Amino acid sequence: QKEVEQDPGPLSVPEGAIVSLNCTYSNSAFQYFMWYRQYSRKGPELLMYTYSSGNKEDGRFTAQVDKSSKYISLFIRDSQPSDSATYLCASPYAGGTSYGKLTFGQGTILTVHP
Amino acid sequence: KAGVTQTPRYLIKTRGQQVTLSCSPISGHRSVSWYQQTPGQGLQFLFEYFSETQRNKGNFPGRFSGRQFSNSRSEMNVSTLELGDSALYLCASSAGSNTGELFFGEGSRLTVL
Repeated sequence: QKEVEQDPGPLSVPEGAIVSLNCTYSNSAFQYFMWYRQYSRKGPELLMYTYSSGNKEDGRFTAQVDKSSKYISLFIRDSQPSDSATYLCASPYAGGTSYGKLTFGQGTILTVHP
Repeated sequence: KAGVTQTPRYLIKTRGQQVTLSCSPISGHRSVSWYQQTPGQGLQFLFEYFSETQRNKGNFPGRFSGRQFSNSRSEMNVSTLELGDSALYLCASSAGSNTGELFFGEGSRLTVL
């Protein structure tokens, strides 16, 4: 079993829809959670990060962590065609100071149609 | 501020050959990590270097190696290439924050024939 599981989709929605992207994780030591966005032929870029349980909002994006169920969510409101990308959930290595080691989910391919 | 630069962007090799990929991190970043991205396995951690020392290593065979120079630039090498090594190899640099913010380059796409 992978430490971070994510439905790869693909997910296709009309412009303006609310999008829900989800991940589950198995390592209880994970404390930080982040969402990366990767456009085609580009490297991933950090979208949001959260610490512990709760919600964090940034414009049209809301990240949610439920540590009791080991569930991570990203909500996109009023989705736009420019949101079409692969969304990756991730958590940093929990065993020390190796900040460059992230465990990624498989990534969900999202397409927003005009 | 210049981003992470990876070279070459595309390359084609044959089985049994070796390849060296290069990465220049963001100025001031001392941590450089390498990842392999494939459609089947997604993004998988290869190794991380910090101040010329390998700080962590992923679950890859010894054919995959890397190093970091005193100016923080990094290289990774794959020897005795196999078909399954075809992938996008991504380099990321970090300022060392425990929030997990990595800055990725655009990757080197390796095709092994």
